Amino acid sequence: GAGVSQSPSNKVTEKGKDVELRCDPISGHTALYWYRQSLGQGLEFLIYFQGNSAPDKSGLPSDRFSAERTGGSVSTLTIQRTQQEDSAVYLCASSSNSGGPWETQYFGPGTRLLVL
Amino acid sequence: KNQVEQSPQSLIILEGKNCTLQCNYTVSPFSNLRWYKQDTGRGPVSLTIMTFSENTKSNGRYTATLDADTKQSSLHITASQLSDSASYICVVTDRGSTLGRLYFGRGTQLTVWP
Repeated sequence: GAGVSQSPSNKVTEKGKDVELRCDPISGHTALYWYRQSLGQGLEFLIYFQGNSAPDKSGLPSDRFSAERTGGSVSTLTIQRTQQEDSAVYLCASSSNSGGPWETQYFGPGTRLLVL
Repeated sequence: KNQVEQSPQSLIILEGKNCTLQCNYTVSPFSNLRWYKQDTGRGPVSLTIMTFSENTKSNGRYTATLDADTKQSSLHITASQLSDSASYICVVTDRGSTLGRLYFGRGTQLTVWP
């Protein structure tokens, strides 16, 4: 596709349930990022994938959060045993080449998660 | 602690008027600074990227300035249009990071009224 796509667009779930959020990066982009944007807050880095290297998971807030990237393309962010404070917009971004400081990150539209 | 602070938090202006948004940062060592525009319900889109040596950069009606000594940046929007209504986010990259780690401000919510 022309840009980064994410699904679902919106997700409402009950506290304690698991959710999976999907990101399809721009074709050919080797770097993929997940961010969280809570209401009234700035974007918060969660996890970073670059090619076949081990991901940088340093931003994940707890062990309930995990992510994988299959085949160097599609990524899935999983939140287990969701809590109300997990409610936020989850944004995915991808960039080409090294994914270093000079690469522009292209963002998807986000998945709006509401935990009741 | 690496931080990015933006002001004002929100701003309302009339169509056709100019406005200036501010960004102060403490990120060090500094690599670059970006301004992103985020329309409601959409992901952020890059407007400008500035390096340590650049003072001013324009993108159409958007002009960004950077003072690396005082660690301040501004985004000036000229002759505002209704489509400029969005959140404007200042993003600073840490030069010490090889992984493109970004530090985001909370954004300034701009509303342009007809």
